[in-house]
Amino acid sequence: DVKVTQSSRYLVKRTGEKVFLECVQDMDHENMFWYRQDPGLGLRLIYFSYDVKMKEKGDIPEGYSVSREKKERFSLILESASTNQTSMYLCASRKQGWETGELFFGEGSRLTVL
Amino acid sequence: GQNIDQPTEMTATEGAIVQINCTYQTSGFNGLFWYQQHAGEAPTFLSYNVLDGLEEKGRFSSFLSRSKGYSYLLLKELQMKDSASYLCAVTDSNYQLIWGAGTKLIIKP
Repeated sequence: DVKVTQSSRYLVKRTGEKVFLECVQDMDHENMFWYRQDPGLGLRLIYFSYDVKMKEKGDIPEGYSVSREKKERFSLILESASTNQTSMYLCASRKQGWETGELFFGEGSRLTVL
Repeated sequence: GQNIDQPTEMTATEGAIVQINCTYQTSGFNGLFWYQQHAGEAPTFLSYNVLDGLEEKGRFSSFLSRSKGYSYLLLKELQMKDSASYLCAVTDSNYQLIWGAGTKLIIKP
């Protein structure tokens, strides 16, 4: 059963803390994505990665960074968490060359910043 | 700008049929996706349309009209488990995905 696994389902952090959100996929996909999902808004792309060591900014990269050291793992980093980063974070992956192919999503990490 | 519109919430009765509409204005078009997302769970793929017409997959069908910038998802023989949010997303000319805010579907017995 193919899977995208996000390390933490629920996190509570304080303003200014550094936050790591981990995502691992077992499908040998080249493309990986980080989205945030907020009520009343569509999914917004934070960063994506076409392959190992590669990263591209999405629509809302400010306040975030990413790391892709291994093909199966894509990490999202909040260097100094702020309350406006309270959100649901979704990781997704897709096979390279399948730009019109489906995304496979993790179950999400719900982050609350106090 | 790029925009995807879909109703915020819809209610339907178990056993009935419901149509969820999606209209889009994007820079180019390379296909339209529908995803289902149960509360607290990952979105899962339902359908992909790139040509005009109706694609049927069991109880679910998806329709596309590129000239009108319009799609709908049709759910037949509704079951309680169909209560979920339904997300419409369009791939633009740069192959970037533009997402609608989603339609929350409530099924009543």
